[in-house]
Amino acid sequence: EPEVTQTPSHQVTQMGQEVILRCVPISNHLYFYWYRQILGQKVEFLVSFYNNEISEKSEIFDDQFSVERPDGSNFTLKIRSTKLEDSAMYFCASSVGPEMSNQPQHFGDGTRLSIL
Amino acid sequence: KQEVTQIPAALSVPEGENLVLNCSFTDSAIYNLQWFRQDPGKGLTSLLLIQSSQREQTSGRLNASLDKSSGRSTLYIAASQPGDSATYLCAVYTSGTYKYIFGTGTRLKVLA
Repeated sequence: EPEVTQTPSHQVTQMGQEVILRCVPISNHLYFYWYRQILGQKVEFLVSFYNNEISEKSEIFDDQFSVERPDGSNFTLKIRSTKLEDSAMYFCASSVGPEMSNQPQHFGDGTRLSIL
Repeated sequence: KQEVTQIPAALSVPEGENLVLNCSFTDSAIYNLQWFRQDPGKGLTSLLLIQSSQREQTSGRLNASLDKSSGRSTLYIAASQPGDSATYLCAVYTSGTYKYIFGTGTRLKVLA
């Protein structure tokens, strides 16, 4: 069964550094998403992306964050200047779309980001 | 604004018991609801997806029901096993949005 793949599985970065998290969505999917989960807390939506544009973003997704689909297969989340509070598990998801109601979002295994 | 609540927050049961996990949501205008399993430090494994037009879905020992009008879903696990120990998350996809809203989860421990 096709999967969403995320790399790396664990990223350790110094505070203030830029970090790029990578995702390869399922090949025929058109909608892409990023979520994060701070340790011990609930999974929170960050951003959704369709047709090379952000469809929706949360309050968490401020100017330090950006997303890009640089080629036909990758979907990336960039954090420009990392803070300690950015430490979390980041999940990428994709779905077929645009008919949303009967198609689930498929989630990757996540990238654990640790900011020192 | 959609809010998703799961009770209980934690549950410990002896092996073999049937159990029910609850999820409630405040906005009944949803596309679908999904139940996930999450092992410690791991990713999200989709268990069951219920469309807004459906009442229930079954997969093996799992059965999920949806009462959209009252904003509730339940996940029923039959004949629980130690391998079922994990956190179970409910996520709601609200109409007119592009995101799932997750509950805080129920942490299940099944004792051998």
